Amino acid sequence: QKEVEQNSGPLSVPEGAIASLNCTYSDRVSQSFFWYRQYSGKSPELIMSIYSNGDKEDGRFTAQLNKASQYVSLLIRDSQPSDSATYLCAVSRLRGNNRLAFGKGNQVVVIP
Amino acid sequence: GAVVSQHPSRVICKSGTSVKIECRSLDFQATTMFWYRQFPKQSLMLMATSNEGSKATYEQGVEKDKFLINHASLTLSTLTVTSAHPEDSSFYICSARPQGSKDSPLHFGNGTRLTVT
Repeated sequence: QKEVEQNSGPLSVPEGAIASLNCTYSDRVSQSFFWYRQYSGKSPELIMSIYSNGDKEDGRFTAQLNKASQYVSLLIRDSQPSDSATYLCAVSRLRGNNRLAFGKGNQVVVIP
Repeated sequence: GAVVSQHPSRVICKSGTSVKIECRSLDFQATTMFWYRQFPKQSLMLMATSNEGSKATYEQGVEKDKFLINHASLTLSTLTVTSAHPEDSSFYICSARPQGSKDSPLHFGNGTRLTVT
């Protein structure tokens, strides 16, 4: 079982719609969770970090964490063409621990 | 703040030669930096943890004699790919976090696209 799994294929959403991405992780004691956005040929940039169960909102982005079910999700509201990118879920075992395990990413395509 | 600079952004080298990639933290100090590799359509894979003033820690399956890491100061880590082969062609990305800021996420450099011919 992979440490971090993002299984869904490319996601196409119309402009203005909500894009929903999911991620599951295998290490039950993981404490830090991140979503990164990566444009083609570029390095990842941080979108959201979340450490506690529940929702965390930042602008058009909402991260949801459920440690009991070992999943973390990302919602993108009012999707824009500039949101078209690959979204990487990353998990680390300890808060403050730098060793991140990444999922393979989900490609999002926002259709104007 | 928390800018990580990586150089070069692209490099093409011939098989058998060595290539050095630099990673600098521009506005903060970092005792630890991380080197990742990403093949096309795949996720980031941690190669090694670079520790200022001591030996790097390599992930399983990563050859330490092939991927030389030097972390000579609190703002600079270098990765040297020795005797490069075409299969080493990849996107190499470094990352760091400000020293003493345990809860802040990692910041990534812009990456280096290595092509070995």
